[in-house]
Amino acid sequence: GNSVTQMEGPVTLSEEAFLTINCTYTATGYPSLFWYVQYPGEGLQLLLKATKADDKGSNKGFEATYRKETTSFHLEKGSVQVSDSAVYFCALPGGGKFQFGAGTQVVVTP
Amino acid sequence: ETGVTQTPRHLVMGMTNKKSLKCEQHLGHNAMYWYKQSAKKPLELMFVYSLEERVENNSVPSRFSPECPNSSHLFLHLHTLQPEDSALYLCASSQVSGSVDEQFFGPGTRLTVL
Repeated sequence: GNSVTQMEGPVTLSEEAFLTINCTYTATGYPSLFWYVQYPGEGLQLLLKATKADDKGSNKGFEATYRKETTSFHLEKGSVQVSDSAVYFCALPGGGKFQFGAGTQVVVTP
Repeated sequence: ETGVTQTPRHLVMGMTNKKSLKCEQHLGHNAMYWYKQSAKKPLELMFVYSLEERVENNSVPSRFSPECPNSSHLFLHLHTLQPEDSALYLCASSQVSGSVDEQFFGPGTRLTVL
């Protein structure tokens, strides 16, 4: 079945640093791919998505490109802020439900 | 402002108590979900309801009993819980069950079982 694997955290970095969170997937066909974010004390919310190969999703300075050649959907941000501290989840639909990665905690220090 | 609300936000209960978690969505969606989020574990899907019918039950112990009286409301009735059931319980909704579009999550109920 469809599944995702994402890098373990926590990832700790300084403000204005470059962030990359790796996500690779296994899927039948080419499903849409998603990144969700969970801020402290909140539920998950959609950060960005890409619906087909080579699509780039973007939001709040974050970007991710749907790469079918490498079955990847890595999340990047060029200059993080303290407010980006959160847990990030890669996800894709499969078997009538969403498959979420284990989550990567990101801690941004001033 | 989220279209999915959950109450209570925090709940502490003893192992012999009975309590209920409530979820309400204001998005006109037809599918609702319960997830369990434990520390250092992946998100676990517990139940899926589509048009008020349960379509999935992922081997969840019977001490968790869901109820979906209409497409806007979802409950999780709890009884005789164990300390390992302490977790964040998240409710979500989507337009249809099994949708490839996004799910909308509530803020969760932080449950502590003593």
